[in-house]
Amino acid sequence: DQQVKQNSPSLSVQEGRISILNCDYTNSMFDYFLWYKKYPAEGPTFLISISSIKDKNEDGRFTVFLNKSAKHLSLHIVPSQPGDSAVYFCAASALQGAQKLVFGQGTRLTINP
Amino acid sequence: KAGVTQTPRYLIKTRGQQVTLSCSPISGHRSVSWYQQTPGQGLQFLFEYFSETQRNKGNFPGRFSGRQFSNSRSEMNVSTLELGDSALYLCASSKEGRGLDTQYFGPGTRLTVL
Repeated sequence: DQQVKQNSPSLSVQEGRISILNCDYTNSMFDYFLWYKKYPAEGPTFLISISSIKDKNEDGRFTVFLNKSAKHLSLHIVPSQPGDSAVYFCAASALQGAQKLVFGQGTRLTINP
Repeated sequence: KAGVTQTPRYLIKTRGQQVTLSCSPISGHRSVSWYQQTPGQGLQFLFEYFSETQRNKGNFPGRFSGRQFSNSRSEMNVSTLELGDSALYLCASSKEGRGLDTQYFGPGTRLTVL
């Protein structure tokens, strides 16, 4: 039972345009969400997070949107740069108790020049 | 501030052997979590330690175990290795491992079981 789903295994975007990565979750106990970026042979790097009391969080070129009723979140990257090419993971956790991240399967983003 | 470090980075073992992986968290971080990444299953939570106590555990067999030392460094052990244990093992640290804490990951240990 996959509680966090990233339905697009890959996404290709032109440099300078907007990249939109999507994530859906099924467990209504999740109330904290994070996005990580991963390059080959490296560990995931934290990008941005959002708690369920917000519906939007921005950090520079990265914005995460949360739609609680749809159990859906998205990561927007504007403008996309070649260095953004990586695998992006969505992760979810419950704020209560010890933190245990549940990850999606990842989306491979390729930024084309 | 130094990041999370993991040793060794690469390891090759044969079936039936056991292996110990090590993780040093970011200074001041008291929570250490372990994850397994495989192509088929993605990133899966193994267990989490805080103040030398296991607080949370994922759905892995008892062959997978861990411990944490008083300086917050952590080790995980896999006994009686199986081919399916070949994976990237990632360690992550956070301050308290609760609430809005962010987990920061190390580079991982790539384990190959032959």
